[in-house]
Amino acid sequence: DTEVTQTPKHLVMGMTNKKSLKCEQHMGHRAMYWYKQKAKKPPELMFVYSYEKLSINESVPSRFSPECPNSSLLNLHLHALQPEDSALYLCASSQYAGGRGLNEQFFGPGTRLTVL
Amino acid sequence: DAKTTQPPSMDCAEGRAANLPCNHSTISGNEYVYWYRQIHSQGPQYIIHGLKNNETNEMASLIITEDRKSSTLILPHATLRDTAVYYCIVRVGGVLTGGGNKLTFGTGTQLKVEL
Repeated sequence: DTEVTQTPKHLVMGMTNKKSLKCEQHMGHRAMYWYKQKAKKPPELMFVYSYEKLSINESVPSRFSPECPNSSLLNLHLHALQPEDSALYLCASSQYAGGRGLNEQFFGPGTRLTVL
Repeated sequence: DAKTTQPPSMDCAEGRAANLPCNHSTISGNEYVYWYRQIHSQGPQYIIHGLKNNETNEMASLIITEDRKSSTLILPHATLRDTAVYYCIVRVGGVLTGGGNKLTFGTGTQLKVEL
């Protein structure tokens, strides 16, 4: 199984809502990532988890709260978002958080989020 | 990580080779060149990577110049399904402790394969 799954595929939420994005992989990978991608822009790294511990936070606002309950699951909790947070949210995983040479990241299909 | 420069767009006829250039003139000795692509509305997909030798896999070939300041991704027989944005990324290799595996995507090249 070389797949990263993300749910939901689409999400529409109001600025006062609380919602969560879910990501799952069963490749035994020990590093997981959240990226944000605005329309016609490249993906931007938000968070990196290594061995279920947060290792990188790219100065992401606190209205985005990541959680890694176990090595296969990654959540992104959303609260009080703004319309400008509307984007495609991509999850990825890799065997390790560092590593020499090939440590390719496998990406999920993303959750398209619209904040009204 | 070193910055990369890619042309914003390229066209290629189906069945012909697609040669996508990338300039990374400030690359350091321990930095690898990675290529990913993103087909519309999908997540990025790893293609190939290299340090200094040319590399080939079932998807593509990667040619890195001797001075490592530039590289070319070659799709030998492009098909319509290869239409995508192609990202050239330069990343530090080696064992990292705690730093994480950061991929910094540039603006990429939109490759359009046509009949």
